[in-house]
Amino acid sequence: SQQGEEDPQALSIQEGENATMNCSYKTSINNLQWYRQNSGRGLVHLILIRSNEREKHSGRLRVTLDTSKKSSSLLITASRAADTASYFCATPSGSRLTFGEGTQLTVNP
Amino acid sequence: KAGVTQTPRYLIKTRGQQVTLSCSPISGHRSVSWYQQTPGQGLQFLFEYFSETQRNKGNFPGRFSGRQFSNSRSEMNVSTLELGDSALYLCASSPGTAQETQYFGPGTRLLVL
Repeated sequence: SQQGEEDPQALSIQEGENATMNCSYKTSINNLQWYRQNSGRGLVHLILIRSNEREKHSGRLRVTLDTSKKSSSLLITASRAADTASYFCATPSGSRLTFGEGTQLTVNP
Repeated sequence: KAGVTQTPRYLIKTRGQQVTLSCSPISGHRSVSWYQQTPGQGLQFLFEYFSETQRNKGNFPGRFSGRQFSNSRSEMNVSTLELGDSALYLCASSPGTAQETQYFGPGTRLLVL
C-alpha cells in the first residue's frame, strides 16, 4: 500500500504555465524526495527536502514541506513540453522508499 | 560514472516459468533496492540488499527472492510466474541507505502470458 497520496492524479497545462503537485504522507519522516518518471522508464531523482527544511529550490523546481500537516508540494515554473511525465513523492522508512500514487503532468506545446 | 544498468530490458514469459533479472549499481554504491511497478498497485518495495545481506523486505510472497554479490551487483528471481507478476521491475542503488537519494535504472518490463 502507498504511504502517501498525491493530487491531482492528472494535470494538463500549457507551456509556460506553472504546475503544482501535492503530496501527503502518514508517518514521521527524515526527508521527503520527489522523482520524475517519463513514460514507462526509470525514475529520476529531482529534489530531496529534509524534515527541518521548509522550502527548497532547484532550477525551475520549488518544493515545500509542512511536517505539521504531513504534506509537501512541488512547483514547476515556466513549464515546458519536456516536463511531461509522472511525478512521485517518496518517503524513506528504514531502508525502503514508500512512494505516492503519482501525478501525471501533461504540458501542451 | 555510469548509471544503474538493468538486464534484460524486456522479457516475455509464460505462467509457471521462472525469471531472473539483473542489476548493476553505480560504482561504489553498496545498497541495491528492487521495486515493482504496476498500474493497479503503483510502486511497491520488494527488498533491499546491502553488502550482500538482505536488509529489508517488502510484502511479497516467497516466490520473489534476490541476492547480492560481492561486487554489489544484484539479481532478483521470480519463480512460478503468475499473470499478475507482469510489471516494470526497477532497481535502484545508493551509497548506503534509503534515507539518501536513490538512483534508478531503466527497469525491466516483464510480461507474463
